[in-house]
Amino acid sequence: RKEVEQDPGPFNVPEGATVAFNCTYSNSASQSFFWYRQDCRKEPKLLMSVYSSGNEDGRFTAQLNRASQYISLLIRDSKLSDSATYLCVVNRFNKFYFGSGTKLNVKP
Amino acid sequence: EPEVTQTPSHQVTQMGQEVILRCVPISNHLYFYWYRQILGQKVEFLVSFYNNEISEKSEIFDDQFSVERPDGSNFTLKIRSTKLEDSAMYFCASSELGGKQFFGPGTRLTVL
Repeated sequence: RKEVEQDPGPFNVPEGATVAFNCTYSNSASQSFFWYRQDCRKEPKLLMSVYSSGNEDGRFTAQLNRASQYISLLIRDSKLSDSATYLCVVNRFNKFYFGSGTKLNVKP
Repeated sequence: EPEVTQTPSHQVTQMGQEVILRCVPISNHLYFYWYRQILGQKVEFLVSFYNNEISEKSEIFDDQFSVERPDGSNFTLKIRSTKLEDSAMYFCASSELGGKQFFGPGTRLTVL
């Protein structure tokens, strides 16, 4: 079973839409969780950490459900510049496991 | 804003040759990492490095690979006797406390 699983998409949404991505992880001993975005042929860039209490950064909200081993990312009021691949990342004892990413296309 | 830098941006080598990929992590960071991403595939963890020694490594990081912090600023990945399947983008990353990582722009390695 994969360490981290994500729906590859693509999610095609109009500007201004709200879109949600999900991610599941297989190992309950995982310790910390992150969302990164990756533009085509570029390096991953940290978007936000994910906490059980939920956390928000502007238009982005992340949530962790440890019982279900499930992580989510919600993007409100999508912008054209949000088009990218969103990577779910899980850390366990300083080894980091990346999902394959979910591709988002925001259309005008 | 401080950033991770990597050199070269593109390295072309012949199969069987050794390559050294270089990284300069963010100066006050303590944890350093190497990842690879084969074209069209996911980012794969290779190794983490802390306090001048390997902290964790993946199954990919076999005897062909080694890492070094030769001075106070550089962090290198050496690949001995490169194979065709080593062709990938190699990313270096660093973090202050072992959590949030900041990635360099990557070195594209092409093995012919």
